[in-house]
Amino acid sequence: TQLLEQSPQFLSIQEGENLTVYCNSSSVFSSLQWYRQEPGEGPVLLVTVVTGGEVKKLKRLTFQFGDARKDSSLHITAAQTGDTGLYLCAGEGRDDKIIFGKGTRLHILP
Amino acid sequence: DAGVIQSPRHEVTEMGQEVTLRCKPISGHNSLFWYRQTMMRGLELLIYFNNNVPIDDSGMPEDRFSAKMPNASFSTLKIQPSEPRDSAVYFCASSFLGTSGNTDTQYFGPGTRLTVL
Repeated sequence: TQLLEQSPQFLSIQEGENLTVYCNSSSVFSSLQWYRQEPGEGPVLLVTVVTGGEVKKLKRLTFQFGDARKDSSLHITAAQTGDTGLYLCAGEGRDDKIIFGKGTRLHILP
Repeated sequence: DAGVIQSPRHEVTEMGQEVTLRCKPISGHNSLFWYRQTMMRGLELLIYFNNNVPIDDSGMPEDRFSAKMPNASFSTLKIQPSEPRDSAVYFCASSFLGTSGNTDTQYFGPGTRLTVL
């Protein structure tokens, strides 16, 4: 069974600080996506990475796909209260199945 | 543009009752997904349809769960009989699957929060 482990489960930091959250697996994924989910809403896609070693930037968010396509990280620079939410990674694995991690619940304190 | 529409947004029912969740995908999308989200298990894919045909229902927990997609603009997820352990948020998502086989972005609805007493 392919699994995606996200860490940390919970993170609470002050506004203005930097942070990194991780998405790891022992399996290879053909692509990996990051979503943000706010309370009472469905997940919203932030980015898709498909090439090992790929780095994508979305304003203050930097996403990296591991060289072996088994892991990914999300780095946020100068966090803002609007970044608060549940961050989910999802991988497209065998049989084109999309598998989600359980998420990192991020809380940015003003 | 309207996104994915789900109804009801909240459902409270008693154990043993039938529950029907509804979803209207984004117009033009040809793939529809039903997910369940809980704190313990995270977001789990239950079933997905392509061109109204169920492609993979391996995530459906048991025979009490069934899903239909009678046309391109409507799908239902039914639980009969419902049990307290079915309490969760159920999401519907839609996307466009091209001929290349690459799936476009999945767009999620706001979810239905189901509580079974």
